[in-house]
Amino acid sequence: QSALTQPASVSGSPGQSITISCTGTSSDVGNYNYVSWYQQHPGKVPKLVIFDVSKRPSGVSDRFSGSKSGNTASLTISGLQAEDEADYYCNSYTTSSTWMFGGGTKLTV
Amino acid sequence: QLQLQESGPGLVKPSETLSLTCSVSGGSISSSSFYWGWIRQPPGKGLEWVGNMFYGGTNYYNPSLKSRITISGDTSKNQFSLQLGSVTAADTAMYYCVRRRGDSSQVDYWGQGTLVTVSS
Repeated sequence: QSALTQPASVSGSPGQSITISCTGTSSDVGNYNYVSWYQQHPGKVPKLVIFDVSKRPSGVSDRFSGSKSGNTASLTISGLQAEDEADYYCNSYTTSSTWMFGGGTKLTV
Repeated sequence: QLQLQESGPGLVKPSETLSLTCSVSGGSISSSSFYWGWIRQPPGKGLEWVGNMFYGGTNYYNPSLKSRITISGDTSKNQFSLQLGSVTAADTAMYYCVRRRGDSSQVDYWGQGTLVTVSS
């Protein structure tokens, strides 16, 4: 199975909004609402920021939001802050009952 | 509060078997609500799903590893384990044990990770 496709990098200025895309196929992203997003700072354990396409775990800022259209899921971060600078990974369930990650996107603020 | 802790050798020789254990506290691996599994991350690279275990149910593995991998649980110790055979340098990675909710896409708890290096 190939990884989900994410842009290698995105950047934005403090206060701006950015969107990270995650493109799969009808066998994964397009077939289920089981897409999650993880934030990982250098040397740290990944942290869940969005699950089930658009749900936010308790304690995660409402500046983080998720959506999906067809085979592409998206993570939007509004009101960018310096602390948002990190790597972001999408993760989707597949029709083979397996899970697949995207290649990761480095966000520079 | 649930806690996960990985343990195992940090160095494995090529062609040998990598064996890691995840000790779980604050929750039971026999719960019907959760999957228990492994995610790895080679140095400087992205996350890769390794496999999941559902106690008393079916395990699911990354197809690229399926011929070499076994994930199993021990309820008496509240631990689950990863065995990956015939390792090569490509299996060098940080290995995280995780909990995933069975009814959603949430990986809500992660261990701190353990670095395994494959080298002679």
